Order: sequence, then structure tokens, then C-alpha cells
Amino acid sequence: SQTIHQWPATLVQPVGSPLSLECTVEGTSNPNLYWYRQAAGRGLQLLFYSVGIGQISSEVPQNLSASRPQDRQFILSSKKLLLSDSGFYLCAGGPGRAYEQYFGPGTRLTVT
Amino acid sequence: DAKTTQPPSMDCAEGRAANLPCNHSTISGNEYVYWYRQIHSQGPQYIIHGLKNNETNEMASLIITEDRKSSTLILPHATLRDTAVYYCIVRVPMEYGNKLVFGAGTILRVKS
Repeated sequence: SQTIHQWPATLVQPVGSPLSLECTVEGTSNPNLYWYRQAAGRGLQLLFYSVGIGQISSEVPQNLSASRPQDRQFILSSKKLLLSDSGFYLCAGGPGRAYEQYFGPGTRLTVT
Repeated sequence: DAKTTQPPSMDCAEGRAANLPCNHSTISGNEYVYWYRQIHSQGPQYIIHGLKNNETNEMASLIITEDRKSSTLILPHATLRDTAVYYCIVRVPMEYGNKLVFGAGTILRVKS
């Protein structure tokens, strides 16, 4: 089965600083990869998804970007963080055995 | 926008069945219903999914109404470790891959 690795687990960054969150996938090749954000007390919002190297689709306009330099690597970036970028960021990979998406442990980002 | 509606919270006694309802009245014919749960500060965990027929696995049962406008997740013998936020999700097919549209979920509290 797939395993999704994310780091760091928590991150505190000042407004205006850059961001790079990395996600790697183990146990499968050519997965679909997804970045979600979860605001406090809310459900998950899909930010980006990728079906292959260099192929990125954005779901919502925002201050963030994503890249997929390798088959099992997905990166979420920002050049200048905003306060509104704070949240819990989750990387997911799929399809799994039942077409489910496997989620990583998440990164809690606080922009101060 | 979420395509599902769930009660914000429910309580269940340990050892009893937990029945979590979900309305998805606008679901399309090719859209699956998925259930995930999220324990605090962790990534969501897949539970079960279905299209038309009732489904059962080692974790839960999923009952889908004949008109597919609602469903119920059943945890047959809830334990304290089942306390989590449960998300009823519609899986929307995209040009490539699938998108999980999350709502706010139901907070299930299992009490001894």
C-alpha cells in the first residue's frame, strides 16, 4: 500500500517569508497527487492536483503554487506568505486499492 | 462547494452501534460516496465507499438509499478510539483522476 511522507510536522513562518513543503510517496509509481488545506474546524479544500511529472492543476486561485519534479515528489510553495495561508496542509496520493486517496500526516503552518 | 450535509456532532455509547447520516441530494449518477475519518491533527483515514449497493468491510457498513440521495455509515460496535470527525464525501471524476469534495463532517464522540 501507499505511504505518504510529509515534513515538517509544524512550521511557524513570518508574513512575507517563502514556503516550501515537500511530500513524497512510497509504495507505488505514477500516483495522482493532491495538496489539500484545512482551516481550523473546517473540512478539507483541494488546492492542487497532479497526474504526472510537470502536470499541475489548480483548483482555487491563491498565493501558493505546486510543482512535481519527480514521479513521487510533490512540492507546495509560496514566494511570500500571507496570514491567511495559515492552516493544516495535507498531501494525498491515489488511487489506492479501492480508488481511495491515502493522506499524509500533514503540516500545521502558522503565519505570524 | 460541498455536496454533502451532515449533522455537526453525535454521541454514541461505547459498544453500541454508531449510525452517521449523510444527505447528498444533488449527487450525480457516476459519483461515488466515500467516508473518511480524521482523528485530531492527523491525516484523514479511508473507511468505505459505494455507488449504489450497500457495502461492508472490516471497519464499517455503508447503507445507500435506493434514490442515492442519502446514506448512513454504521460502526457496529463503537469504541473510544472511534472518536473522530467523520466526513461523508462525494468523489467527483475529473478529466484525470478524482476529486474528493469534503464538507464540515460530523464529530462523533464515543463515551464509556
